[in-house]
Order: sequence, then structure tokens, then C-alpha cells
Amino acid sequence: QVQVQESGPGLVKPSGTLSLSCVVSGGSITNNWWSWVRQSPGKGLEWIGEIYHNGRTNYNPSLRSRVTISVDVSKNQFSLQLTSVTAADTAVYYCARNTVYCSDFWGQGTLVTVSS
Amino acid sequence: EIVLTQSPGTLSLSPGERATLSCRTSQSVSTSYLAWYQQKPGQAPRLLIYGASIRATGIPDRFSGSASGTDFTLTISRLEPEDFAVYYCQRYGNSPPMYTFGQGTKLEIK
Repeated sequence: QVQVQESGPGLVKPSGTLSLSCVVSGGSITNNWWSWVRQSPGKGLEWIGEIYHNGRTNYNPSLRSRVTISVDVSKNQFSLQLTSVTAADTAVYYCARNTVYCSDFWGQGTLVTVSS
Repeated sequence: EIVLTQSPGTLSLSPGERATLSCRTSQSVSTSYLAWYQQKPGQAPRLLIYGASIRATGIPDRFSGSASGTDFTLTISRLEPEDFAVYYCQRYGNSPPMYTFGQGTKLEIK
């Protein structure tokens, strides 16, 4: 069974760059799209963007100017970078596998706090 | 931009009762593009339904999804204690390619 696991710093300074990785195990990163989703404390889910193994990406228009998602097929992982962060970017960040216009396997999530 | 509106915001029911959760889209969307998730506190979302009515692997048959125009419904036929959670609908759009979530419905024990 496919598993995905997020990792990265839990604390980022305002105006800095948030960087997270998601490693895929139990399956190949090829032939699926892979998403990042976030959830601010006590709030709903917000889709950030997705990537295919060939590097093709789609982003949420509301975040596009600050987001970069990349993939490393050799490591079976993909990554998220979010620049110019503010307190509003404090959230639990999830990575997930996409299939048939939904996400079927999710990581447990990692809390990233933006604070000085 | 397509907006998903879930109702009610909070639904208070007792175990054994039937739950009906609504997700209304601001524009017509393909039923193939509509999914439902369950999220419990401190946990990641769990895929319940995709393609508006197809149960994901391992999902009990008390969960069902349906569609009528721009209205999508998640029905839980007989609530079990473990069903009390927050439920989100999600829709995929291809212009531009992106996913959008509804704001969620909290299903709480009455």
C-alpha cells in the first residue's frame, strides 16, 4: 500500500521560505499526480497545487506567485516551497496522491508555524 | 471560479439516525469530478466517495453519494459512533486545473 510522509522544519520566520518534502513509499511516484493541501488551525482544507512525475504542475491561482512544487523521481519524492510567508501561512501541510480526480492516500500532515 | 457550498454547517444527530449532507456547486460540474472526505480531529482527511457516488476502498456501504444537477449529497444511512467527524466535498476543475474544497460540515453527536 502506498504511503506518503511529509517532512521539514516546523518553524519558519516571517518573510522566509517554507520548504517541505514528501517521500512516497510502497509504490512509484510515476503515473500519478501528487498534491499539497494545507489546513490552517481550526479551518478548512485548501489545495495548494499538484505535480506529475514529468514535472508538470498545476497551482492554486491564489498562491501561484509564491509556490513551487518539484519532483525527484530518483528519490521517489516531491517537494513544496512557499516564499514570503506570513502568519497566515501557519497550517498543517499534507501531501497526498491523486487518482481519478481525488486524493486517496494522505500523509499524516506536518504543522508549520510562521513566527519570529 | 466555482464555489462549493456545504450545508448545514453543523449537523447534530444520534447514533443510528440517518445523516444527509449537502454540497452545492455554483456551476455545473461533471459527477466524475466530485469527491467526499471525512476528517477526524488530528487526522488527515480520508477519501470516502469519488465520482460523486463511488465508494473508496474499504468504505462501509452505509456511506453513499448522489448527484442532481449542481447538488451533491452524502448520505450515511445509520450513524455509527465513529462517523462523527467533519466532512468535506471537493471538486476538480479543468479551467484552470485545480481542486476546490467546500467549507465542511461538522457532524456531531446530539
